[in-house]
Amino acid sequence: GENVEQHPSTLSVQEGDSAVIKCTYSDSASNYFPWYKQELGKRPQLIIDIRSNVGEKKDQRIAVTLNKTAKHFSLHITETQPEDSAVYFCAASMAFGRKLIFGQGTELSVKP
Amino acid sequence: EAQVTQNPRYLITVTGKKLTVTCSQNMNHEYMSWYRQDPGLGLRQIYYSMNVEVTDKGDVPEGYKVSRKEKRNFPLILESPSPNQTSLYFCASSQDHQQILYFGPGTRLTVL
Repeated sequence: GENVEQHPSTLSVQEGDSAVIKCTYSDSASNYFPWYKQELGKRPQLIIDIRSNVGEKKDQRIAVTLNKTAKHFSLHITETQPEDSAVYFCAASMAFGRKLIFGQGTELSVKP
Repeated sequence: EAQVTQNPRYLITVTGKKLTVTCSQNMNHEYMSWYRQDPGLGLRQIYYSMNVEVTDKGDVPEGYKVSRKEKRNFPLILESPSPNQTSLYFCASSQDHQQILYFGPGTRLTVL
């Protein structure tokens, strides 16, 4: 079936360390992979996305890598700061792009 | 201001009492979608709409209805709510189905 698996479910790092969140997806036709950040009590907001014709994309301290052969993609946050603490969701487009299927979420805690 | 709005933001109701959660966007977006968020399950798609009068089921459509009579509005209808529909609901819209999703503020629904 259509699904996205996300790991880990919780992640605790020290300020300044790096954080990595990994996702795998089931549909080999998926071609759009966004990442959303949800702060406590707020709505999810896009932080970065990648399309299948690109293997890596970077925006300041965040980067996403995509391995289409293995059907997995990852979010990398470097030099983490307390304000990076939030729940992060990966997602993958499915059903010819009509659906966006989300992972279960990763609660990231950055300790000062 | 470009935004997605939802009403009500909070609702406590009883089993079987029909309710509607409204969603409106002012960005002239073609694509709209409803998600429910439950702990440990991430964001699960209920219904989506590619355009006016075009709607389709997401992953968890049972017990819900939607309509898209106008481009800006996409109401979610629970004909006979049950306690397992207690959840946090998000409406979202995007220019098309593989672009940035803009989420509404969320509606926290409790069904007793």
